Amino acid sequence: KAGVTQTPRYLIKTRGQQVTLSCSPISGHRSVSWYQQTPGQGLQFLFEYFSETQRNKGNFPGRFSGRQFSNSRSEMNVSTLELGDSALYLCASSLGQGRNNEQFFGPGTRLTVL
Amino acid sequence: GDSVTQMEGPVTLSEEAFLTINCTYTATGYPSLFWYVQYPGEGLQLLLKATKADDKGSNKGFEATYRKETTSFHLEKGSVQVSDSAVYFCALYNSGGSNYKLTFGKGTLLTVNP
Repeated sequence: KAGVTQTPRYLIKTRGQQVTLSCSPISGHRSVSWYQQTPGQGLQFLFEYFSETQRNKGNFPGRFSGRQFSNSRSEMNVSTLELGDSALYLCASSLGQGRNNEQFFGPGTRLTVL
Repeated sequence: GDSVTQMEGPVTLSEEAFLTINCTYTATGYPSLFWYVQYPGEGLQLLLKATKADDKGSNKGFEATYRKETTSFHLEKGSVQVSDSAVYFCALYNSGGSNYKLTFGKGTLLTVNP
């Protein structure tokens, strides 16, 4: 069974540009969550989608957005990039929502903003 | 809101030494607790979990017990190996209301020397 895949693995952008990251969950998983990992702030929750609906959102500015498609694949978009957006962006999928649904993480997309 | 506090390290041990990484949490309700491990250049892997008080999670020689009275979930291993070198994250999942997300500690870098 294929794991969570994220594309691209690495990205270099300049300030002011926008970027789209993609996440393909494990087959059959309907929930996708996104996290930002930085050395200073650690792992922070961005948002969670279930059945194409955003169910939860973390404390990030409106420049960060996402969506989920009918096949459960998800994308996140960051507009007007800032230097502080440089981070590892991790996607996780689970069968559903709730405390007993284990989240499986992808390898991440390393975004560098110059 | 929910929070997780873990010893930040870095922790450096010799092979076959005993490992303890402390983790305490603050949360409403009855969260599930997790330890994740991140190897260099990779995403997070679930190491072990516990979903209710007094549960013991175990995997690959690692153990942690859900202690509600002390709000703790300390990670232990009796004899570490060089291959255990990684970053370890304590996390909680609290599905109270619509709060479907993992809250992570800052992570603890473990280095095991031969």
